[in-house]
Amino acid sequence: DGGITQSPKYLFRKEGQNVTLSCEQNLNHDAMYWYRQDPGQGLRLIYYSQIVNDFQKGDIAEGYSVSREKKESFPLTVTSAQKNPTAFYLCASSRDSNYGYTFGSGTRLTVV
Amino acid sequence: GQQLNQSPQSMFIQEGEDVSMNCTSSSIFNTWLWYKQDPGEGPVLLIALYKAGELTSNGRLTAQFGITRKDSFLNISASIPSDVGIYFCAGLLGGTSYGKLTFGQGTILTVHP
Repeated sequence: DGGITQSPKYLFRKEGQNVTLSCEQNLNHDAMYWYRQDPGQGLRLIYYSQIVNDFQKGDIAEGYSVSREKKESFPLTVTSAQKNPTAFYLCASSRDSNYGYTFGSGTRLTVV
Repeated sequence: GQQLNQSPQSMFIQEGEDVSMNCTSSSIFNTWLWYKQDPGEGPVLLIALYKAGELTSNGRLTAQFGITRKDSFLNISASIPSDVGIYFCAGLLGGTSYGKLTFGQGTILTVHP
């Protein structure tokens, strides 16, 4: 079955450390997205990529970085420059610009 | 970034009651989507609306794409405990806007047995 997989489900990080969240899809979707979710604040776009080797900043890109070396993969690195990284992170993909997203099951990052 | 105005923010209802929530925007969208998110999981698409005025049903769910293309509503009939979760509306411009969804803040639904 096709789908989008995020790993790990839970992640703990010490302050000052970078951490990379994995997102893999086998839906053959061109576009992939990263969102951050905080309680009561809905979903906020971090980065998105329409095609391999290309990505764009979303609304809250500061302190994050991404890469898109393969169509199937869109990892997100939360750097030490991110002031408040504890959140639930969601990855999504879409076939093209006229269709909605398929979401992964999310990664909950906690900074300790 | 732009967000949709989704209301109500939360609802507490008894099992068997009907539920209604809506989203409004100052911008026109070409597609409206409704998602449900269970605790600790990613949102799952419930209904997609592609045409102004369109009314679509999916089981106990009914959603409509407003005629002005600036609003949408979702109704849930005869609620059951597993309807609990967060419901998000989302608008999609499509085309050269690279498929970026704009999300509402979500409606938290609690259903009492």
